[in-house]
Amino acid sequence: DTEVTQTPKHLVMGMTNKKSLKCEQHMGHRAMYWYKQKAKKPPELMFVYSYEKLSINESVPSRFSPECPNSSLLNLHLHALQPEDSALYLCASSQGQFSGNTIYFGEGSWLTVV
Amino acid sequence: GNSVTQMEGPVTLSEEAFLTINCTYTATGYPSLFWYVQYPGEGLQLLLKATKADDKGSNKGFEATYRKETTSFHLEKGSVQVSDSAVYFCALIQGGSEKLVFGKGTKLTVNP
Repeated sequence: DTEVTQTPKHLVMGMTNKKSLKCEQHMGHRAMYWYKQKAKKPPELMFVYSYEKLSINESVPSRFSPECPNSSLLNLHLHALQPEDSALYLCASSQGQFSGNTIYFGEGSWLTVV
Repeated sequence: GNSVTQMEGPVTLSEEAFLTINCTYTATGYPSLFWYVQYPGEGLQLLLKATKADDKGSNKGFEATYRKETTSFHLEKGSVQVSDSAVYFCALIQGGSEKLVFGKGTKLTVNP
């Protein structure tokens, strides 16, 4: 069973809505990640937080805004999304880049933008 | 740059057949290697991993050996079940990096 939990599992939102995806990990990990996965493709990295600081932003549009309130929680705030942003959003965590970096994923949040 | 190449499939097998999914990589240094599995409608699960040359990762009857000389990490299972139907991703991460590099994924379907 995964120890990375994501909510909600499914989200439908309009292009003018503001919503958030939430992620929590219970493994004491110091790095957390957001990935986006389109159908029949591998996940694509969006953001990395290391020790609660944003360490990687893969040139993601500003309509996606990450937030890391503490080392166990990671949010992704969504605003003014486009239909092409519909995808599976995966949260992940790891001990960090200098500690034998095995990345564990959550079950994902399925986002549909209408 | 680092890259992972895996057979794209789809792969269709009968129950109890032998499975091999090929994976080769290009990387500087000594990356850690992983197989992830994604069942329909779900997230990614870590299936197995190997962190140095000649390591063998194993889990749920699946095995893969880190072969530095051939830069390969092929996934094998001796007898597949219908429940193994899923997409399998080979991936690597370079030491000191936070970025997983994925292969394109291989869809496996096992028929009764």
